[in-house]
Amino acid sequence: QVQLVQSGAEVKKPGSSVKVSCKASGGTFSSYTISWVRQAPGQGLEWMGRIIPILGIAHYAQRFQGRVTITADESTSTAYMELSSLRSEDTAVYYCARAGGDYWGQGTLVTVSS
Amino acid sequence: DIVMTQTPLSLSVTPGQPASISCKSSQSLLHSDGKTYLYWYLQKPGQSPHLLIYEVSSRFSGVSDRFSGSGSGTDFTLKISRVEAEDVGVYYCMQGIHLPNTFGQGTKLEIK
Repeated sequence: QVQLVQSGAEVKKPGSSVKVSCKASGGTFSSYTISWVRQAPGQGLEWMGRIIPILGIAHYAQRFQGRVTITADESTSTAYMELSSLRSEDTAVYYCARAGGDYWGQGTLVTVSS
Repeated sequence: DIVMTQTPLSLSVTPGQPASISCKSSQSLLHSDGKTYLYWYLQKPGQSPHLLIYEVSSRFSGVSDRFSGSGSGTDFTLKISRVEAEDVGVYYCMQGIHLPNTFGQGTKLEIK
């Protein structure tokens, strides 16, 4: 049984960066793809990007290109999503999920506020 | 980007009655490997989304057989044969063939 456990809630100032972690247990981390999806308050789901740990290759949604970096550390079975130049519109719950969405993390609330 | 359009955006259903949600994609979701990468998720209030259906019609482990998926190409449907109180939440379709993966707007299911 795969389990994805994310880091805790964050409060950030506009213009700063946030890095959210997603630690996997069960399964073989390097063999699957981790996606990051966000959900603004009261809104739908938005795909941000993904990484294939075994290849170290990441793909990003165009609208986040240049602001988001997704990485993975195979030694700790942990994926990371870093979002920079934060603005109030980035306030959202950020989820990691195995590609295909069969397993999801619990979500991490990131609040951007001055 | 592929646009995923769900209808209706909200449903109010009497327990025991069926429900149906449509999802249309702006491009075919049929991959050259013969699979169609269309997924259905349910997000219950205050929870992470969870997978109901993958590759159009395959039920994920533990999902009730009241849920079924169908469709091909660009037109897909999620059906609930008999709605129960535990089915409330927002249903999303997602395409997983083209990057970026994209979701439908979501369909909110309520119980009458």
